[in-house]
Amino acid sequence: NAGVTQTPKFQVLKTGQSMTLQCAQDMNHEYMSWYRQDPGMGLRLIHYSVGAGITDQGEVPNGYNVSRSTTEDFPLRLLSAAPSQTSVYFCASSYKGYGTDTQYFGPGTRLTVL
Amino acid sequence: GQQVMQIPQYQHVQEGEDFTTYCNSSTTLSNIQWYKQRPGGHPVFLIQLVKSGEVKKQKRLTFQFGEAKKNSSLHITATQTTDVGTYFCAVNDYKLSFGAGTTVTVRA
Repeated sequence: NAGVTQTPKFQVLKTGQSMTLQCAQDMNHEYMSWYRQDPGMGLRLIHYSVGAGITDQGEVPNGYNVSRSTTEDFPLRLLSAAPSQTSVYFCASSYKGYGTDTQYFGPGTRLTVL
Repeated sequence: GQQVMQIPQYQHVQEGEDFTTYCNSSTTLSNIQWYKQRPGGHPVFLIQLVKSGEVKKQKRLTFQFGEAKKNSSLHITATQTTDVGTYFCAVNDYKLSFGAGTTVTVRA
């Protein structure tokens, strides 16, 4: 099993550009989520999905879109990049998502917006 | 989601010493998870606590859930350089909510 994979590892964008961060898992997990990590602020939930075709907003959803057409993939789209979106982005997955489920994290994408 | 506060934010430890990091909430928690993130890495699950007063050990790491289920602690004995990283507590109630983390550095 590859676990949770994310591409790209690093990305530099100019303000106003759009891009998609890719996330895939091969563990047949129902629950997938996206977090951003900024210094001193821990990990903040952007969007999450409890299954294919179902998505919902997390704590900081503005400026990001998601879709979940398959169980395996959960891409995160930045519509018009802003410097405030400079961060490290982590995708995570778990079997069901709630209660005692363990979250498995991908290696992260380090994004810089100029 | 439920809010958890972690203290301290930074912990500088002499190799061989013990230290404790705390996770506090104003509300009763259904469970608490602990994750470790090495510098440049991603969070990795360490352990989960569910029962009031629960204590679990992993080698030199001792995790405790408070009797009122409003706080948790992670105690590391005989700190080693391999303990460097950021330790997060998190509450999993459909939206995993993380504390801000305790970043640990070790002086050899």
